[in-house]
Amino acid sequence: AQSVTQLGSHVSVSEGALVLLRCNYSSSVPPYLFWYVQYPNQGLQLLLKYTSAATLVKGINGFEAEFKKSETSFHLTKPSAHMSDAAEYFCAVEETSGSRLTFGEGTQLTVNP
Amino acid sequence: SAVISQKPSRDICQRGTSLTIQCQVDSQVTMMFWYRQQPGQSLTLIATANQGSEATYESGFVIDKFPISRPNLTFSTLTVSNMSPEDSSIYLCSVELAGQYNEQFFGPGTRLTVL
Repeated sequence: AQSVTQLGSHVSVSEGALVLLRCNYSSSVPPYLFWYVQYPNQGLQLLLKYTSAATLVKGINGFEAEFKKSETSFHLTKPSAHMSDAAEYFCAVEETSGSRLTFGEGTQLTVNP
Repeated sequence: SAVISQKPSRDICQRGTSLTIQCQVDSQVTMMFWYRQQPGQSLTLIATANQGSEATYESGFVIDKFPISRPNLTFSTLTVSNMSPEDSSIYLCSVELAGQYNEQFFGPGTRLTVL
Protein backbone atom coordinates (compact mmCIF):
# COMPACT_ATOMS: atom_id res chain seq x y z
CA ALA A 1 0.00 0.00 0.00
CA GLN A 2 1.15 3.48 -0.70
CA SER A 3 1.26 6.36 1.76
CA VAL A 4 2.40 9.96 1.90
CA THR A 5 3.80 11.86 4.86
CA GLN A 6 4.10 15.62 4.91
CA LEU A 7 6.32 16.85 7.70
CA GLY A 8 4.92 19.98 9.28
CA SER A 9 1.23 20.77 9.10
CA HIS A 10 2.09 24.48 9.27
CA VAL A 11 5.08 26.27 7.77
CA SER A 12 5.66 29.99 8.14
CA VAL A 13 8.21 31.96 6.13
CA SER A 14 8.99 35.59 5.48
CA GLU A 15 8.33 37.13 2.11
CA GLY A 16 11.41 36.59 -0.05
CA ALA A 17 12.64 33.63 1.98
CA LEU A 18 13.11 30.07 0.78
CA VAL A 19 10.07 27.83 0.86
CA LEU A 20 10.66 24.15 1.67
CA LEU A 21 7.72 21.79 2.09
CA ARG A 22 8.61 18.21 2.86
CA CYS A 23 7.02 15.07 1.43
CA ASN A 24 8.02 11.45 1.90
CA TYR A 25 6.25 8.53 0.30
CA SER A 26 6.10 4.81 0.49
CA SER A 27 5.19 2.76 -2.53
CA SER A 28 5.78 -0.78 -3.67
CA VAL A 29 6.49 0.36 -7.23
CA PRO A 30 8.11 3.47 -8.72
CA PRO A 31 5.34 5.99 -8.22
CA TYR A 32 3.97 9.06 -9.87
CA LEU A 33 4.21 12.03 -7.50
CA PHE A 34 2.32 15.29 -7.43
CA TRP A 35 2.10 18.56 -5.58
CA TYR A 36 -1.23 20.35 -5.50
CA VAL A 37 -2.10 23.75 -4.06
CA GLN A 38 -5.44 24.74 -2.59
CA TYR A 39 -6.25 28.40 -2.10
CA PRO A 40 -8.99 29.31 0.38
CA ASN A 41 -12.43 28.20 -0.74
CA GLN A 42 -11.12 26.80 -4.00
CA GLY A 43 -10.43 23.41 -5.52
CA LEU A 44 -7.01 21.88 -6.06
CA GLN A 45 -4.59 23.10 -8.67
CA LEU A 46 -1.69 21.00 -9.90
CA LEU A 47 1.68 22.62 -9.22
CA LEU A 48 3.91 19.93 -10.69
CA LYS A 49 4.26 16.20 -11.23
CA TYR A 50 6.96 13.56 -11.42
CA THR A 51 6.34 10.70 -13.84
CA SER A 52 9.73 8.95 -14.05
CA ALA A 53 11.38 11.43 -16.38
CA ALA A 54 13.74 14.10 -15.02
CA THR A 55 14.16 13.91 -11.26
CA LEU A 56 14.07 17.70 -10.89
CA VAL A 57 10.64 18.89 -11.86
CA LYS A 58 9.72 22.50 -12.45
CA GLY A 59 6.16 23.63 -11.95
CA ILE A 60 4.06 26.73 -12.05
CA ASN A 61 4.57 29.87 -9.97
CA GLY A 62 8.31 29.24 -9.56
CA PHE A 63 7.96 26.01 -7.61
CA GLU A 64 10.09 22.94 -8.19
CA ALA A 65 10.53 19.55 -6.59
CA GLU A 66 13.22 16.89 -6.68
CA PHE A 67 12.51 13.19 -6.67
CA LYS A 68 15.06 11.34 -4.54
CA LYS A 69 14.49 7.62 -4.69
CA SER A 70 17.14 6.83 -2.08
CA GLU A 71 15.36 9.07 0.41
CA THR A 72 11.82 8.32 -0.86
CA SER A 73 11.28 12.06 -0.87
CA PHE A 74 9.70 14.65 -3.14
CA HIS A 75 10.20 17.96 -1.35
CA LEU A 76 8.74 21.16 -2.80
CA THR A 77 10.83 24.31 -2.93
CA LYS A 78 10.64 27.89 -4.10
CA PRO A 79 13.64 30.21 -3.82
CA SER A 80 11.69 33.32 -2.83
CA ALA A 81 8.26 33.29 -1.21
CA HIS A 82 5.56 35.68 -2.29
CA MET A 83 2.53 36.71 -0.30
CA SER A 84 0.32 35.06 -2.92
CA ASP A 85 1.92 31.68 -2.13
CA ALA A 86 -0.03 31.46 1.12
CA ALA A 87 -2.21 28.38 0.73
CA GLU A 88 -2.54 24.70 1.62
CA TYR A 89 -0.17 22.36 -0.21
CA PHE A 90 -0.79 18.67 -0.72
CA CYS A 91 1.63 16.00 -1.82
CA ALA A 92 0.08 12.98 -3.52
CA VAL A 93 1.21 9.64 -4.92
CA GLU A 94 -0.29 7.50 -7.67
CA GLU A 95 1.04 3.98 -8.10
CA THR A 96 -0.10 3.44 -11.64
CA SER A 97 -1.59 5.64 -14.31
CA GLY A 98 -5.30 6.16 -13.90
CA SER A 99 -5.40 4.86 -10.37
CA ARG A 100 -6.31 6.51 -7.12
CA LEU A 101 -4.35 9.41 -5.68
CA THR A 102 -3.26 9.06 -2.08
CA PHE A 103 -2.82 12.45 -0.44
CA GLY A 104 -0.68 13.61 2.41
CA GLU A 105 -2.22 15.50 5.29
CA GLY A 106 -1.35 18.86 3.79
CA THR A 107 0.89 21.74 4.82
CA GLN A 108 -0.51 25.20 5.44
CA LEU A 109 1.99 27.79 4.21
CA THR A 110 1.90 31.25 5.75
CA VAL A 111 3.96 34.05 4.23
CA ASN A 112 4.72 36.95 6.54
CA PRO A 113 5.46 40.45 5.22
CA SER B 1 -6.64 21.34 -19.15
CA ALA B 2 -10.42 21.40 -18.87
CA VAL B 3 -13.27 23.26 -17.29
CA ILE B 4 -14.79 21.21 -14.50
CA SER B 5 -17.96 22.51 -12.90
CA GLN B 6 -19.72 21.30 -9.81
CA LYS B 7 -23.24 22.05 -8.66
CA PRO B 8 -24.11 23.20 -6.10
CA SER B 9 -21.04 25.07 -4.96
CA ARG B 10 -22.28 24.92 -1.40
CA ASP B 11 -25.36 23.87 0.54
CA ILE B 12 -26.70 23.68 4.05
CA CYS B 13 -28.86 20.64 4.65
CA GLN B 14 -30.91 19.12 7.42
CA ARG B 15 -30.03 15.85 9.08
CA GLY B 16 -31.67 12.86 7.41
CA THR B 17 -32.01 14.42 3.97
CA SER B 18 -30.01 13.67 0.81
CA LEU B 19 -28.07 15.89 -1.56
CA THR B 20 -27.00 15.15 -5.12
CA ILE B 21 -23.85 16.83 -6.40
CA GLN B 22 -23.19 17.14 -10.11
CA CYS B 23 -19.85 17.19 -11.90
CA GLN B 24 -19.63 18.26 -15.54
CA VAL B 25 -16.48 18.37 -17.69
CA ASP B 26 -16.08 20.11 -21.02
CA SER B 27 -13.48 17.69 -22.41
CA GLN B 28 -13.18 14.00 -23.09
CA VAL B 29 -12.50 12.14 -19.88
CA THR B 30 -11.04 8.73 -19.20
CA MET B 31 -11.36 8.54 -15.43
CA MET B 32 -13.61 10.30 -12.92
CA PHE B 33 -13.23 10.23 -9.17
CA TRP B 34 -15.03 11.59 -6.13
CA TYR B 35 -13.11 12.76 -3.06
CA ARG B 36 -14.13 13.99 0.37
CA GLN B 37 -12.24 16.61 2.32
CA GLN B 38 -13.39 16.82 5.91
CA PRO B 39 -12.80 20.10 7.78
CA GLY B 40 -9.11 20.77 8.27
CA GLN B 41 -8.12 17.46 6.73
CA SER B 42 -6.71 16.02 3.55
CA LEU B 43 -8.58 14.42 0.67
CA THR B 44 -9.88 10.88 0.81
CA LEU B 45 -11.04 9.00 -2.26
CA ILE B 46 -14.67 7.90 -2.03
CA ALA B 47 -14.97 6.05 -5.31
CA THR B 48 -14.10 5.81 -8.97
CA ALA B 49 -17.10 6.63 -11.15
CA ASN B 50 -17.39 4.12 -13.97
CA GLN B 51 -19.35 4.93 -17.09
CA GLY B 52 -22.44 2.77 -17.44
CA SER B 53 -21.66 0.53 -14.49
CA GLU B 54 -21.47 0.60 -10.72
CA ALA B 55 -18.83 2.78 -9.14
CA THR B 56 -15.80 1.26 -7.45
CA TYR B 57 -15.83 2.22 -3.78
CA GLU B 58 -12.91 2.58 -1.43
CA SER B 59 -12.79 0.92 1.93
CA GLY B 60 -15.13 2.64 4.34
CA PHE B 61 -17.51 3.95 1.68
CA VAL B 62 -20.64 2.13 0.51
CA ILE B 63 -23.07 2.55 -2.33
CA ASP B 64 -26.10 2.95 -0.08
CA LYS B 65 -24.58 6.01 1.55
CA PHE B 66 -22.85 7.49 -1.52
CA PRO B 67 -24.64 6.37 -4.70
CA ILE B 68 -22.78 7.50 -7.81
CA SER B 69 -23.90 7.68 -11.40
CA ARG B 70 -21.93 8.28 -14.56
CA PRO B 71 -24.29 8.10 -17.52
CA ASN B 72 -21.72 9.38 -20.02
CA LEU B 73 -18.04 10.20 -20.27
CA THR B 74 -18.26 13.81 -19.11
CA PHE B 75 -20.91 13.81 -16.36
CA SER B 76 -21.26 12.22 -12.95
CA THR B 77 -23.33 12.65 -9.82
CA LEU B 78 -22.61 11.83 -6.20
CA THR B 79 -25.46 11.60 -3.72
CA VAL B 80 -24.86 11.93 -0.01
CA SER B 81 -27.74 10.01 1.55
CA ASN B 82 -29.39 10.23 4.95
CA MET B 83 -26.99 12.95 5.99
CA SER B 84 -25.63 13.55 9.46
CA PRO B 85 -23.38 16.37 10.73
CA GLU B 86 -20.39 14.05 10.22
CA ASP B 87 -21.00 14.33 6.47
CA SER B 88 -20.15 18.04 6.55
CA SER B 89 -17.23 18.23 4.15
CA ILE B 90 -16.05 19.49 0.82
CA TYR B 91 -16.80 17.01 -1.94
CA LEU B 92 -14.60 17.23 -5.02
CA CYS B 93 -14.71 15.48 -8.33
CA SER B 94 -11.54 14.94 -10.29
CA VAL B 95 -10.89 13.71 -13.80
CA GLU B 96 -8.13 12.29 -15.89
CA LEU B 97 -8.41 13.66 -19.41
CA ALA B 98 -8.03 11.68 -22.59
CA GLY B 99 -4.47 12.11 -23.82
CA GLN B 100 -3.25 13.66 -20.55
CA TYR B 101 -2.37 10.71 -18.43
CA ASN B 102 -0.87 10.83 -14.97
CA GLU B 103 -2.61 14.08 -14.21
CA GLN B 104 -5.86 14.60 -12.35
CA PHE B 105 -7.77 17.85 -12.59
CA PHE B 106 -10.08 18.86 -9.78
CA GLY B 107 -13.39 20.62 -9.74
CA PRO B 108 -13.96 23.59 -7.43
CA GLY B 109 -15.68 21.44 -4.84
CA THR B 110 -19.06 21.44 -3.12
CA ARG B 111 -19.03 22.68 0.46
CA LEU B 112 -21.70 20.79 2.41
CA THR B 113 -22.85 21.68 5.90
CA VAL B 114 -25.28 19.36 7.66
CA LEU B 115 -27.19 20.72 10.63
